[in-house]
Amino acid sequence: QKEVEQDPGPLSVPEGAIVSLNCTYSNSAFQYFMWYRQYSRKGPELLMYTYSSGNKEDGRFTAQVDKSSKYISLFIRDSQPSDSATYLCAMSADKSNYQLIWGAGTKLIIKP
Amino acid sequence: GEEVAQTPKHLVRGEGQKAKLYCAPIKGHSYVFWYQQVLKNEFKFLISFQNENVFDETGMPKERFSAKCLPNSPCSLEIQATKLEDSAVYFCASSHRLPYNSPLHFGNGTRLTVT
Repeated sequence: QKEVEQDPGPLSVPEGAIVSLNCTYSNSAFQYFMWYRQYSRKGPELLMYTYSSGNKEDGRFTAQVDKSSKYISLFIRDSQPSDSATYLCAMSADKSNYQLIWGAGTKLIIKP
Repeated sequence: GEEVAQTPKHLVRGEGQKAKLYCAPIKGHSYVFWYQQVLKNEFKFLISFQNENVFDETGMPKERFSAKCLPNSPCSLEIQATKLEDSAVYFCASSHRLPYNSPLHFGNGTRLTVT
């Protein structure tokens, strides 16, 4: 079993919909959680980061961590075609930004 | 520059040949990281540098893989005697600092195909 599970999709939704992307994990030591967005043939870019449990909001994006359930989510409000990309969750037990355990990514398609 | 620049974009090598990949980090970033992404699966950390010094090489295969970051030169990742399973996209990233909330800035990757 992988340490981090993420549904590869694709997830296809109409423009304007609320999107929910999720990851589950097995290691209770994980404390630092990140979401990266990766466009086709590009490198990933950091979208959101959170420490421990709780919510964090940035514009149309909200990251949510439920450590008791070992479950993290990324919500995208008012989704746009430009949000079409692969979204990867990544997490770590220590404070470093590079020794991360990555999910396989969910491909998101926003239909105009 | 303002972007992590990786060259070449694509590299095709016959099994047993050498492959060399290059990465120019963002100017002013002290840390450079190499990752391997196989078949759109998770990123595997290979090695990191702080300036020209190896910072963490715990992910680096013991054989055939080597990397350098020399002053005033792009960083490089070299694979001797490539194998079919080395086919992957190799990403380089750079960072100003190390904490989790300091973004990794990724290049667009080098796609290595070993035939």
